[in-house]
Amino acid sequence: DAEITQSPRHKITETGRQVTLACHQTWNHNNMFWYRQDLGHGLRLIHYSYGVHDTNKGEVSDGYSVSRSNTEDLPLTLESAASSQTSVYFCASSEGAHLLMKQYFGPGTRLTVT
Amino acid sequence: EDQVTQSPEALRLQEGESSSLNCSYTVSGLRGLFWYRQDPGKGPEFLFTLYSAGEEKEKERLKATLTKKESFLHITAPKPEDSATYLCAVQDSSNTGKLIFGQGTTLQVKP
Repeated sequence: DAEITQSPRHKITETGRQVTLACHQTWNHNNMFWYRQDLGHGLRLIHYSYGVHDTNKGEVSDGYSVSRSNTEDLPLTLESAASSQTSVYFCASSEGAHLLMKQYFGPGTRLTVT
Repeated sequence: EDQVTQSPEALRLQEGESSSLNCSYTVSGLRGLFWYRQDPGKGPEFLFTLYSAGEEKEKERLKATLTKKESFLHITAPKPEDSATYLCAVQDSSNTGKLIFGQGTTLQVKP
């Protein structure tokens, strides 16, 4: 069955280190999204992509970057991790033809920055 | 600015006690309103999409309705397995595919 996976599921890192969170989907969806989920804020969009080599900033993109070299993967990089980036990160994907299509979410990565 | 507000933040029900969750939204041209269910430690799972005022959708004990300013998720005769956080999200007319989420309502159904 098609799915969307994230790795690692849990990560502890130190302030200032570079961290990359992986997201892989097997639906062949063009659209992929990264969100963070924090108490009191709900899910907030970090970056998104409509296809290979396309990336766009969401509402909380500072300190994060993404690159899209193939359809299946959208890794999220924290250039220099900060304690404010401690959060649960979710990747999502949706079909490319219609942007109104529902998004499928991965299981999440819990990141702790000490 | 697009905004989504869900109420209540938390809701405790006895098994079989029906109730409704509210999602109020302010958006520049609604293209779609989405309901998701999220279990602890998992990603959100899609439930419904509503596109226009007056539309209703049902799935088992859940029914979602939409007006021009809000959506309701009605839960009829809930069971303990309906316990979860329910998230509402909207997509505006910018055609970017981006979703704006509310903070969610955490539902606990006691047997």
